[in-house]
Amino acid sequence: NAGVTQTPKFRVLKTGQSMTLLCAQDMNHEYMYWYRQDPGMGLRLIHYSVGEGTTAKGEVPDGYNVSRLKKQNFLLGLESAAPSQTSVYFCASSYGQGTDNEQFFGPGTRLTVL
Amino acid sequence: GQSLEQPSEVTAVEGAIVQINCTYQTSGFYGLSWYQQHDGGAPTFLSYNALDGLEETGRFSSFLSRSDSYGYLLLQELQMKDSASYFCAVRGYNFNKFYFGSGTKLNVKP
Repeated sequence: NAGVTQTPKFRVLKTGQSMTLLCAQDMNHEYMYWYRQDPGMGLRLIHYSVGEGTTAKGEVPDGYNVSRLKKQNFLLGLESAAPSQTSVYFCASSYGQGTDNEQFFGPGTRLTVL
Repeated sequence: GQSLEQPSEVTAVEGAIVQINCTYQTSGFYGLSWYQQHDGGAPTFLSYNALDGLEETGRFSSFLSRSDSYGYLLLQELQMKDSASYFCAVRGYNFNKFYFGSGTKLNVKP
Protein backbone atom coordinates (compact mmCIF):
# COMPACT_ATOMS: atom_id res chain seq x y z
CA ASN A 1 0.00 0.00 0.00
CA ALA A 2 1.25 3.46 -0.90
CA GLY A 3 -0.91 5.09 1.80
CA VAL A 4 -1.47 8.78 1.04
CA THR A 5 0.38 10.29 -1.90
CA GLN A 6 0.56 13.90 -3.04
CA THR A 7 1.45 15.42 -6.39
CA PRO A 8 3.54 17.51 -6.95
CA LYS A 9 6.15 17.59 -4.16
CA PHE A 10 7.36 21.09 -4.99
CA ARG A 11 5.98 23.94 -7.07
CA VAL A 12 6.80 27.58 -7.71
CA LEU A 13 4.03 29.82 -9.02
CA LYS A 14 3.80 33.45 -9.99
CA THR A 15 1.10 35.61 -8.46
CA GLY A 16 -2.17 35.11 -10.30
CA GLN A 17 -1.38 31.66 -11.69
CA SER A 18 -3.58 28.70 -10.96
CA MET A 19 -2.77 25.14 -10.03
CA THR A 20 -4.24 21.93 -8.67
CA LEU A 21 -2.74 19.72 -5.99
CA LEU A 22 -3.69 16.06 -6.13
CA CYS A 23 -4.09 13.77 -3.16
CA ALA A 24 -4.69 10.05 -3.51
CA GLN A 25 -5.22 7.34 -0.89
CA ASP A 26 -5.47 3.59 -1.29
CA MET A 27 -6.84 2.73 2.16
CA ASN A 28 -10.53 3.08 1.25
CA HIS A 29 -10.90 5.94 3.73
CA GLU A 30 -14.12 7.92 3.82
CA TYR A 31 -12.67 11.17 5.19
CA MET A 32 -10.05 13.33 3.51
CA TYR A 33 -8.54 16.67 4.54
CA TRP A 34 -6.35 19.46 3.21
CA TYR A 35 -4.17 21.38 5.66
CA ARG A 36 -1.60 24.10 5.30
CA GLN A 37 1.37 24.44 7.60
CA ASP A 38 3.19 27.70 8.12
CA PRO A 39 6.19 28.22 10.41
CA GLY A 40 5.14 28.42 14.06
CA MET A 41 1.45 28.03 13.29
CA GLY A 42 0.85 24.31 13.26
CA LEU A 43 -1.63 22.78 10.84
CA ARG A 44 -4.71 24.67 9.74
CA LEU A 45 -7.62 22.95 8.02
CA ILE A 46 -8.50 24.35 4.60
CA HIS A 47 -11.28 22.02 3.40
CA TYR A 48 -12.36 18.50 4.14
CA SER A 49 -14.62 15.77 2.79
CA VAL A 50 -16.60 13.10 4.63
CA GLY A 51 -17.30 11.04 1.54
CA GLU A 52 -17.27 10.90 -2.24
CA GLY A 53 -19.06 13.89 -3.72
CA THR A 54 -19.05 15.92 -0.50
CA THR A 55 -16.84 18.80 0.62
CA ALA A 56 -16.93 21.30 3.48
CA LYS A 57 -14.99 24.37 4.59
CA GLY A 58 -12.37 24.30 7.28
CA GLU A 59 -10.69 27.14 9.17
CA VAL A 60 -9.00 28.90 6.23
CA PRO A 61 -10.93 28.12 3.01
CA ASP A 62 -10.63 31.49 1.24
CA GLY A 63 -8.73 31.34 -2.04
CA TYR A 64 -9.04 27.55 -2.34
CA ASN A 65 -11.51 25.14 -3.89
CA VAL A 66 -11.73 21.36 -3.63
CA SER A 67 -13.38 18.43 -5.32
CA ARG A 68 -13.91 14.79 -4.36
CA LEU A 69 -15.28 13.12 -7.47
CA LYS A 70 -13.76 9.75 -6.58
CA LYS A 71 -13.44 8.32 -3.11
CA GLN A 72 -9.70 7.86 -3.39
CA ASN A 73 -8.88 11.35 -4.69
CA PHE A 74 -9.15 14.81 -3.17
CA LEU A 75 -8.08 17.79 -5.26
CA LEU A 76 -7.13 21.22 -3.97
CA GLY A 77 -7.26 24.12 -6.41
CA LEU A 78 -5.81 27.61 -6.26
CA GLU A 79 -7.54 29.76 -8.85
CA SER A 80 -5.35 32.86 -8.52
CA ALA A 81 -2.30 32.26 -6.36
CA ALA A 82 -1.13 34.92 -3.91
CA PRO A 83 2.16 35.17 -1.96
CA SER A 84 0.16 34.57 1.26
CA GLN A 85 -0.50 31.05 -0.03
CA THR A 86 3.18 30.15 0.15
CA SER A 87 3.12 27.21 2.52
CA VAL A 88 3.49 23.47 2.89
CA TYR A 89 0.27 21.67 2.06
CA PHE A 90 -0.59 18.33 3.63
CA CYS A 91 -3.36 16.00 2.65
CA ALA A 92 -4.68 13.47 5.17
CA SER A 93 -7.26 10.71 5.24
CA SER A 94 -9.04 8.72 7.92
CA TYR A 95 -11.68 6.03 8.23
CA GLY A 96 -14.10 8.47 9.79
CA GLN A 97 -15.65 5.68 11.80
CA GLY A 98 -14.64 4.48 15.24
CA THR A 99 -13.41 6.59 18.08
CA ASP A 100 -9.96 7.94 17.30
CA ASN A 101 -10.29 9.18 13.72
CA GLU A 102 -6.55 8.65 13.25
CA GLN A 103 -5.40 10.73 10.30
CA PHE A 104 -2.81 9.43 7.85
CA PHE A 105 -0.82 12.21 6.22
CA GLY A 106 0.79 12.46 2.83
CA PRO A 107 4.39 13.69 2.40
CA GLY A 108 3.37 17.28 1.66
CA THR A 109 3.64 19.76 -1.20
CA ARG A 110 5.92 22.73 -0.76
CA LEU A 111 4.42 25.67 -2.67
CA THR A 112 6.09 29.02 -3.22
CA VAL A 113 4.18 31.92 -4.77
CA LEU A 114 6.34 34.76 -6.06
CA GLY B 1 -13.81 29.18 18.54
CA GLN B 2 -11.01 26.83 19.39
CA SER B 3 -7.62 27.58 20.89
CA LEU B 4 -4.79 25.35 22.04
CA GLU B 5 -1.68 26.25 24.03
CA GLN B 6 1.54 24.26 23.99
CA PRO B 7 5.09 25.22 24.98
CA SER B 8 7.07 26.18 21.89
CA GLU B 9 10.22 24.26 22.77
CA VAL B 10 11.43 21.69 25.30
CA THR B 11 14.93 20.27 25.77
CA ALA B 12 15.78 17.03 27.56
CA VAL B 13 18.63 14.52 27.70
CA GLU B 14 18.69 11.02 26.29
CA GLY B 15 17.16 8.48 28.66
CA ALA B 16 15.14 11.07 30.57
CA ILE B 17 11.37 11.58 30.80
CA VAL B 18 9.66 14.63 29.34
CA GLN B 19 6.11 15.91 29.55
CA ILE B 20 4.54 18.14 26.90
CA ASN B 21 1.43 19.96 28.05
CA CYS B 22 -1.57 21.10 26.07
CA THR B 23 -4.40 23.28 27.32
CA TYR B 24 -7.39 23.94 25.14
CA GLN B 25 -10.50 26.02 24.87
CA THR B 26 -13.21 24.64 22.65
CA SER B 27 -16.95 24.80 22.23
CA GLY B 28 -17.82 21.13 22.53
CA PHE B 29 -15.24 18.41 22.99
CA TYR B 30 -14.91 14.92 21.60
CA GLY B 31 -11.25 14.11 22.04
CA LEU B 32 -7.58 15.10 22.05
CA SER B 33 -4.99 13.65 19.69
CA TRP B 34 -1.20 13.83 19.57
CA TYR B 35 0.96 13.79 16.45
CA GLN B 36 4.72 13.67 15.91
CA GLN B 37 6.45 15.42 13.04
CA HIS B 38 10.14 15.20 12.18
CA ASP B 39 11.73 18.09 10.29
CA GLY B 40 10.69 17.93 6.64
CA GLY B 41 8.35 15.03 7.27
CA ALA B 42 4.64 14.40 7.60
CA PRO B 43 2.77 14.28 10.91
CA THR B 44 2.21 10.79 12.27
CA PHE B 45 -0.46 9.79 14.77
CA LEU B 46 0.63 8.92 18.32
CA SER B 47 -2.46 8.73 20.50
CA TYR B 48 -6.04 9.78 21.14
CA ASN B 49 -7.90 10.41 24.41
CA ALA B 50 -11.66 10.77 24.48
CA LEU B 51 -12.09 10.06 28.19
CA ASP B 52 -10.21 11.18 31.28
CA GLY B 53 -7.15 9.22 32.23
CA LEU B 54 -3.94 7.82 30.90
CA GLU B 55 -3.43 5.95 27.63
CA GLU B 56 -0.14 4.09 27.26
CA THR B 57 1.53 3.01 24.03
CA GLY B 58 5.04 1.75 24.58
CA ARG B 59 7.33 4.58 25.68
CA PHE B 60 4.61 7.17 25.02
CA SER B 61 1.63 7.93 27.24
CA SER B 62 -1.09 10.53 26.89
CA PHE B 63 -3.28 11.95 29.62
CA LEU B 64 -6.53 13.88 29.53
CA SER B 65 -8.49 15.83 32.13
CA ARG B 66 -11.67 17.16 30.57
CA SER B 67 -12.63 19.14 33.67
CA ASP B 68 -9.33 21.06 33.43
CA SER B 69 -9.33 21.25 29.61
CA TYR B 70 -5.82 19.87 29.79
CA GLY B 71 -3.80 17.03 28.44
CA TYR B 72 -0.20 15.98 28.19
CA LEU B 73 2.07 13.68 26.27
CA LEU B 74 4.67 11.81 28.31
CA LEU B 75 7.75 10.42 26.61
CA GLN B 76 9.91 8.01 28.60
CA GLU B 77 13.42 6.68 28.01
CA LEU B 78 14.06 9.43 25.52
CA GLN B 79 16.02 8.57 22.41
CA MET B 80 17.73 10.86 19.92
CA LYS B 81 15.15 9.88 17.32
CA ASP B 82 12.44 11.44 19.50
CA SER B 83 13.75 14.88 18.52
CA ALA B 84 10.76 16.23 16.58
CA SER B 85 7.77 18.54 16.89
CA TYR B 86 4.73 17.32 18.78
CA PHE B 87 1.24 18.65 18.13
CA CYS B 88 -1.91 18.30 20.14
CA ALA B 89 -5.17 18.46 18.22
CA VAL B 90 -8.65 18.86 19.65
CA ARG B 91 -11.83 17.49 18.20
CA GLY B 92 -14.39 20.13 19.01
CA TYR B 93 -18.03 20.84 18.33
CA ASN B 94 -17.70 19.60 14.77
CA PHE B 95 -16.97 15.89 15.12
CA ASN B 96 -15.35 15.80 11.69
CA LYS B 97 -12.70 18.45 12.32
CA PHE B 98 -9.53 18.65 14.36
CA TYR B 99 -7.83 21.87 15.40
CA PHE B 100 -4.07 21.68 15.87
CA GLY B 101 -1.86 23.50 18.33
CA SER B 102 1.26 25.35 17.17
CA GLY B 103 3.48 22.46 18.18
CA THR B 104 6.27 21.83 20.70
CA LYS B 105 9.76 21.29 19.38
CA LEU B 106 11.52 18.63 21.46
CA ASN B 107 15.30 18.64 21.42
CA VAL B 108 16.92 15.50 22.83
CA LYS B 109 20.57 15.93 23.75
CA PRO B 110 23.13 13.19 24.37
